Amino acid sequence: AQSVAQPEDQVNVAEGNPLTVKCTYSVSGNPYLFWYVQYPNRGLQFLLKYITGDNLVKGSYGFEAEFNKSQTSFHLKKPSALVSDSALYFCAVRDRGTNAGKSTFGDGTTLTVKP
Amino acid sequence: GAVVSQHPSRVICKSGTSVKIECRSLDFQATTMFWYRQFPKQSLMLMATSNEGSKATYEQGVEKDKFLINHASLTLSTLTVTSAHPEDSSFYICSAGSRGDQPQHFGDGTRLSIL
Repeated sequence: AQSVAQPEDQVNVAEGNPLTVKCTYSVSGNPYLFWYVQYPNRGLQFLLKYITGDNLVKGSYGFEAEFNKSQTSFHLKKPSALVSDSALYFCAVRDRGTNAGKSTFGDGTTLTVKP
Repeated sequence: GAVVSQHPSRVICKSGTSVKIECRSLDFQATTMFWYRQFPKQSLMLMATSNEGSKATYEQGVEKDKFLINHASLTLSTLTVTSAHPEDSSFYICSAGSRGDQPQHFGDGTRLSIL
């Protein structure tokens, strides 16, 4: 079984400040990890993924995420937040042995960046 | 990148009406598609996994006769909400499955409002 926890329903940051959206996971084997972003009344858009190798993964729009195997975490980060980053963010995990690409999603974290 | 088209984007109809939502993969073949329901609280609920040429696999608690899924071709899956009632009002999102380390590709969702 696989699961994802996003401990914060809401994250508020000021524009220009660094942001972190937290994610921890549980999976029986080695995971693929993903971050997605959702804007109002839209579907989810892929931001970045961790497959293997370097623990720091860089993705779209200046976002990055750090894979920490010992803490089973994959926190999303950005050095300087923009108001346009305000959206709903989902972390997802997939066991490498899973067929057909079925991922398990966290409950989402609403990021609000204030001017 | 891969594109998933979902139609309609919004439906408003009377109680008792059946509503069909289409999900098309535009530039790739999707043997598997996923249907999600998103509640106002924001979390995604996986309703069913749609497999081309075979019966869909429904998650526990999802009524098969209420939410009919058809995946007749490699590029089209449909979700029909039969005899819809106000409690079926929600945001429905489809996603094409993918293998290995590839992310899921999502449609833009359908806002269903039953009066």
